[in-house]
Amino acid sequence: DAGITQSPRYKITETGRQVTLMCHQTWSHSYMFWYRQDLGHGLRLIYYSAAADITDKGEVPDGYVVSRSKTENFPLTLESATRSQTSVYFCASTKGESNEQFFGPGTRLTVL
Amino acid sequence: AQSVTQLDSQVPVFEEAPVELRCNYSSSVSVYLFWYVQYPNQGLQLLLKYLSGSTLVESINGFEAEFNKSQTSFHLRKPSVHISDTAEYFCAVTLYSSASKIIFGSGTRLSIRP
Repeated sequence: DAGITQSPRYKITETGRQVTLMCHQTWSHSYMFWYRQDLGHGLRLIYYSAAADITDKGEVPDGYVVSRSKTENFPLTLESATRSQTSVYFCASTKGESNEQFFGPGTRLTVL
Repeated sequence: AQSVTQLDSQVPVFEEAPVELRCNYSSSVSVYLFWYVQYPNQGLQLLLKYLSGSTLVESINGFEAEFNKSQTSFHLRKPSVHISDTAEYFCAVTLYSSASKIIFGSGTRLSIRP
């Protein structure tokens, strides 16, 4: 089915481990985004990508790495996870014309 | 710079009562305006949007929002809420010219009491 999917949906890891969160969309949207959602902070943009091989930092990029070798995939890597990165992570994409964003179901990450 | 303020972090209302969720924005350039809804344990879904034209926009489930340029507001209203409307609601703005410049408000949690 067409849409935007994220995997895994739930992840528990330990401090210092590397974790990769996957995001896949089937619409061929140009723009893709990664957000984290924390109580009291709403949604904060981590990284975004305007097209394959084009990425840029958002509001809270420290501790995260992204890549986009294919239009449909936009993985987010925590190179050395910290407890402060415990959060719910959402991937989104947009067509661009009206800037409406379509969100994935989220990944709940717990760093122990 | 653009910003979005949702004045109420939580709004409790009784079932079948009317509700208004407030949203104010600031921007020196033209923007698109959105309301997204997030049901428990789900991602955000678009509820309605204002791009241009009529300042009153409606959703399929009875919500409406009115763009007020002079007051820089985009408040969300529903005349009679249902238990199923329990969710968190986010106001957002984005520039005409940039798909990457989307700013979300901090959200309003709507809780419906029977």
